[in-house]
Amino acid sequence: DAGVIQSPRHEVTEMGQEVTLRCKPISGHDYLFWYRQTMMRGLELLIYFNNNVPIDDSGMPEDRFSAKMPNASFSTLKIQPSEPRDSAVYFCASRRRGEDTQYFGPGTRLTVL
Amino acid sequence: QKEVEQNSGPLSVPEGAIASLNCTYSDRGSQSFFWYRQYSGKSPELIMFIYSNGDKEDGRFTAQLNKASQYVSLLIRDSQPSDSATYLCAVNMGDSNYQLIWGAGTKLIIKP
Repeated sequence: DAGVIQSPRHEVTEMGQEVTLRCKPISGHDYLFWYRQTMMRGLELLIYFNNNVPIDDSGMPEDRFSAKMPNASFSTLKIQPSEPRDSAVYFCASRRRGEDTQYFGPGTRLTVL
Repeated sequence: QKEVEQNSGPLSVPEGAIASLNCTYSDRGSQSFFWYRQYSGKSPELIMFIYSNGDKEDGRFTAQLNKASQYVSLLIRDSQPSDSATYLCAVNMGDSNYQLIWGAGTKLIIKP
């Protein structure tokens, strides 16, 4: 089975530009998580979905960040406008209902100049 | 606030020795405990999980859980240079949605 798929793997953009990160969870997984990882702050949960519905977005840093999950096989994380402090690796993870093991995608390394 | 604490390291261990990684958590209601390994530039991957007090062994890896003292540890026997990575501890603190609380990770270096 394919794992969690993320695109792009690398993104370099200029401050003020819109950035969209994409994620396809493992088929059959009901939960999807967006994380951000930096050296300073480690792994931070941004938002997670259950059956395409956002459950907890308290980790989203500010209104510049938004996430959607229009269907069970696709989610996006958008940053508009982007800022240099948004530079990080963004991970998507998914898990099946009733299990608490999360499976991570390869991540998107975002650099905002 | 629910917290998971790990020593950031780096922890340096000679090849062939036992590496011991520790993690403490704040909430006594915690139910399940995970160790993830993350190589530099890669994503976290699950090594082991443990639910009950005591030891759980899988190959060279042993997870130890002590709920009374609120700590969980990971032992790596016969350490290999390929074990050099950051090890993340994650805890499900009884949230009905099984949300995990993550430690900051311990960097492990195995010296040949």
